[in-house]
Amino acid sequence: QSALTQPASVSGSPGQSITISCTGTSSDVGGYNYVSWYQQHPGKAPKLMIYEVSNRPSGVSNRFSGSKSGNTASLTISGLQAEDEADYYCSSYTSSSTLEWVFGGGTKLTVL
Amino acid sequence: EVQLVESGGGLVQPGGSLRLSCAASGFTFSSYWMHWVRQAPGKGLVWVSRINSDGSSTSYADSVKGRFTISRDNAKNTLHLQMNSLRAEDTAVYYCARDTVTYYFDSWGQGTLVTVSS
Repeated sequence: QSALTQPASVSGSPGQSITISCTGTSSDVGGYNYVSWYQQHPGKAPKLMIYEVSNRPSGVSNRFSGSKSGNTASLTISGLQAEDEADYYCSSYTSSSTLEWVFGGGTKLTVL
Repeated sequence: EVQLVESGGGLVQPGGSLRLSCAASGFTFSSYWMHWVRQAPGKGLVWVSRINSDGSSTSYADSVKGRFTISRDNAKNTLHLQMNSLRAEDTAVYYCARDTVTYYFDSWGQGTLVTVSS
């Protein structure tokens, strides 16, 4: 079971919008609405940003939104702020025989 | 406030064993599934293992199956990961994470570092 595919890096200027993609298969992203996204600052624990494809936990800014089309999920951050600079990981439940949950390889977001 | 605090990490030789613990507070521990997720230095997150709320069901990534055992003590609000036959590739920060039984990790501990090296 390979990790979900994310771009290694994305960048944007303050105020702009960026989108991070997360591509899987019909056994994970495409087969379930159990895609979640996590933000991780250096040396810190991951933080849940989006769950069940497009839901935001209480306390997460509405600048963060999620969507899915087929086997690809996306995280969009609008109105970029300096504090958004972090690593972002997608995750999905999977029906793979080798594991139950799979993560993407991570995307480093740089705010220029 | 939900708190998850891992402990038990350290330096161990290849082939050795280590037992990680995760102390939970601020929520009804026995109502939640729990997971272990690891992150090798400079690398991404990797799911390791899951246990259901009463401990009757567990699952493991193939990479640790047969070597790691997840368990929980609901009376003590504690999650464990017994790691045997450790390999260099098991070197990572190990996080415990809470699962609301809706397939996402809504709270994470701060992690504990396991280093496997001679």
